[in-house]
Amino acid sequence: AQSVTQPDIHITVSEGASLELRCNYSYGATPYLFWYVQSPGQGLQLLLKYFSGDTLVQGIKGFEAEFKRSQSSFNLRKPSVHWSDAAEYFCAVGPNFGNEKLTFGTGTRLTIIP
Amino acid sequence: GAVVSQHPSRVICKSGTSVKIECRSLDFQATTMFWYRQFPKQSLMLMATSNEGSKATYEQGVEKDKFLINHASLTLSTLTVTSAHPEDSSFYICSARGGGAQPQHFGDGTRLSIL
Repeated sequence: AQSVTQPDIHITVSEGASLELRCNYSYGATPYLFWYVQSPGQGLQLLLKYFSGDTLVQGIKGFEAEFKRSQSSFNLRKPSVHWSDAAEYFCAVGPNFGNEKLTFGTGTRLTIIP
Repeated sequence: GAVVSQHPSRVICKSGTSVKIECRSLDFQATTMFWYRQFPKQSLMLMATSNEGSKATYEQGVEKDKFLINHASLTLSTLTVTSAHPEDSSFYICSARGGGAQPQHFGDGTRLSIL
């Protein structure tokens, strides 16, 4: 069975500082990996996805993520956070391009301090 | 592009009533739509997957007679919570995807509160 672990429930960083959110997955085949962001009371917005190819993927809002097969990780990074980045971040894994059923991690809540 | 609209955004109703939530893909044809439930400070739990013109596939533990899903067109799916009770109060989110290598795009969710 597939699973996603986000070890950090809550992270606080200063505005302008760098950010790394951790995501580890368990999946029996080549995973398809996603990062989504959720603002309070709203749905999810796709930040980036990894299907194949270059293991460093660029997303929207200045985010990037690196797929490391040997570590079963897909960590999200941003070199300099902005106050508007405060939100809940979810990592997800899916089986394929098709009718994929995403499995989500429990999320990491990001707080930005001035 | 890839906009998914969910309506209503919030609904409050009495116990025993039925509530319908709509999920529309505004600028693409959604071959597959998903319905999720999210409890406070928790992750999304998939309830069911629906393909246009087919019966929905429910996840284990989800009552199909309680949560009726209809995906009658390539742009609209509905979730009806029948005879809702306070324990059905939650945040319900839909997502939709087109064909091929397309990711899911999410609606803004519906906050359902049953009194």
